[in-house]
Amino acid sequence: GAVVSQHPSRVICKSGTSVKIECRSLDFQATTMFWYRQFPKQSLMLMATSNEGSKATYEQGVEKDKFLINHASLTLSTLTVTSAHPEDSSFYICSASKGQGNPYEQYFGPGTRLTVT
Amino acid sequence: GENVEQHPSTLSVQEGDSAVIKCTYSDSASNYFPWYKQELGKGPQLIIDIRSNVGEKKDQRIAVTLNKTAKHFSLHITETQPEDSAVYFCAASSQAGTALIFGKGTTLSVSS
Repeated sequence: GAVVSQHPSRVICKSGTSVKIECRSLDFQATTMFWYRQFPKQSLMLMATSNEGSKATYEQGVEKDKFLINHASLTLSTLTVTSAHPEDSSFYICSASKGQGNPYEQYFGPGTRLTVT
Repeated sequence: GENVEQHPSTLSVQEGDSAVIKCTYSDSASNYFPWYKQELGKGPQLIIDIRSNVGEKKDQRIAVTLNKTAKHFSLHITETQPEDSAVYFCAASSQAGTALIFGKGTTLSVSS
């Protein structure tokens, strides 16, 4: 199989604080990981693409200083929401691609529900 | 960049009926077209995918068709069951290892 986990599954934080979300590929090495954000009743919007050991590539309109992405190993990527505000409340989902087998297929994590009060 | 349009946004069917969801894409370089099912509060699950060198693919009650000339692809679910109720997303990608561009989703409701 190809399992991707996220931690935490839910987090509530106060406005102005920072939150870190972890994305792990449990049984494969992920050459590339992706971070998406999904607002209620909307589609998944790509935030950034990250490759192990290199800087993430952010989509237009996504503040790289606010959404810090670290892809420190082939099995772990982290997204840190800095100085979170209520408008950052959303469902954050990561995905990972193996780079072998079906190189196109992406395996999605279960998502992290962030609520900023 | 790629743009993926998905229709309808909501679809209600009776158990046992068929459901069809359609997507169009804009980038002729796109060559990978997956479909995902997402249940409330969960991440998307891949249900079927197709590459551009294939016109149709079937897996039990689910099939996907692709028309490269017209740049559209469709998801067909036969003999629908209440547990098929979920949000379905189509997506497109032009290169292995690159991000997927998603359609806006279709909320499928199957009533028994």
